[in-house]
Amino acid sequence: KNEVEQSPQNLTAQEGEFITINCSYSVGISALHWLQQHPGGGIVSLFMLSSGKKKHGRLIATINIQEKHSSLHITASHPRDSAVYICARPGTASKLTFGTGTRLQVTL
Amino acid sequence: EAEVAQSPRYKITEKSQAVAFWCDPISGHATLYWYRQILGQGPELLVQFQDESVVDDSQLPKDRFSAERLKGVDSTLKIQPAELGDSAMYLCASSQDRTTGNTIYFGEGSWLTVV
Repeated sequence: KNEVEQSPQNLTAQEGEFITINCSYSVGISALHWLQQHPGGGIVSLFMLSSGKKKHGRLIATINIQEKHSSLHITASHPRDSAVYICARPGTASKLTFGTGTRLQVTL
Repeated sequence: EAEVAQSPRYKITEKSQAVAFWCDPISGHATLYWYRQILGQGPELLVQFQDESVVDDSQLPKDRFSAERLKGVDSTLKIQPAELGDSAMYLCASSQDRTTGNTIYFGEGSWLTVV
């Protein structure tokens, strides 16, 4: 069982829809990363958060440390948001344990 | 904005040949990571450096893979001999130090195809 679980695995949405991707982890952490990977591309760090909520443009990330759960929301989704979204938990010496990833496809 | 540089972006090599990837982390970042990502899977840590020292290479197949960061700045990952199963994207990342909670910055990755 992966220490970091994401849902859904695949998500298709129409442009403009509000999107939520969930991440649950089994080991207590002090921070969590949300990452984005476009097809064939490298990984971009979206957020690193340790409590509460962070917002960047149309992206919002929330985390509940006690419940070991984080969510990534995309408001007014756009086809350019189509990518794989990965949550990752830093462990010893910041070694990352990656979630299974959520493949998002936003259609017109 | 500062970024992690990697080269080459794409490499096709024949089985049993040698191949090398280069990474230049963000200036001042002490920690450097090499990850391997097989298509459809999440990244897997191969090696982690703190300055010029290897902190974690437990998942590095040491019979064919080697990594160095001689001056604690840029790094090279080498595979010799390459095998078909090595086809993957090799990602380099860096962070300021090993403190949990530091943002980790990823490069664009180097795609390797072994034929």
